[in-house]
Amino acid sequence: EDQVTQSPEALRLQEGESSSLNCSYTVSGLRGLFWYRQDPGKGPEFLFTLYSAGEEKEKERLKATLTKKESFLHITAPKPEDSATYLCAVQAGYNDYKLSFGAGTTVTVRA
Amino acid sequence: DVKVTQSSRYLVKRTGEKVFLECVQDMDHENMFWYRQDPGLGLRLIYFSYDVKMKEKGDIPEGYSVSREKKERFSLILESASTNQTSMYLCASSFRGRGNSGNTIYFGEGSWLTVV
Repeated sequence: EDQVTQSPEALRLQEGESSSLNCSYTVSGLRGLFWYRQDPGKGPEFLFTLYSAGEEKEKERLKATLTKKESFLHITAPKPEDSATYLCAVQAGYNDYKLSFGAGTTVTVRA
Repeated sequence: DVKVTQSSRYLVKRTGEKVFLECVQDMDHENMFWYRQDPGLGLRLIYFSYDVKMKEKGDIPEGYSVSREKKERFSLILESASTNQTSMYLCASSFRGRGNSGNTIYFGEGSWLTVV
């Protein structure tokens, strides 16, 4: 069974204090690893898709990396507007629709 | 930009009522999904559709049904709402996968359903 574990559960940062979120996964044949941002009361907003180990994607202050066992979401010099829950999900090789989600990391950035 | 639109953001229904949640996507995606999200349980797949009139059960289909009469529209139906169906419901869509690559799933804003 596919497993996705995110750590830490919660992260409190000072504005400008860079940090990283971890997503470790066990899946049979990775088709894709996805990062989403979710604000309270809203649906997940797509950030990145990573397909193979060594791949990196960047968007503003966020950078996602992928190895064969885990992915990291690096937040560089965060701002209060980066406060959200960040969700990691994997899609396995045997189908093209089911996403297995981690529980998320809730990031709070204080000014 | 991909747009997945859920018709109702907030609903309050009585136990035993029939409830319809509607979803429309504008990207000509083949796949559409209904998830529910609950604190401590994360996102769980209720139903999935890969084509018009086609559907497959997800992880928690009991108490729900779906309808897909047009490619862009996917409806979730609670035949007889119960209090344990109080939740946030998320519609999503994606292209069908190509080769061995995954396909990004895009979510709507969510519908908060309270059953009293």
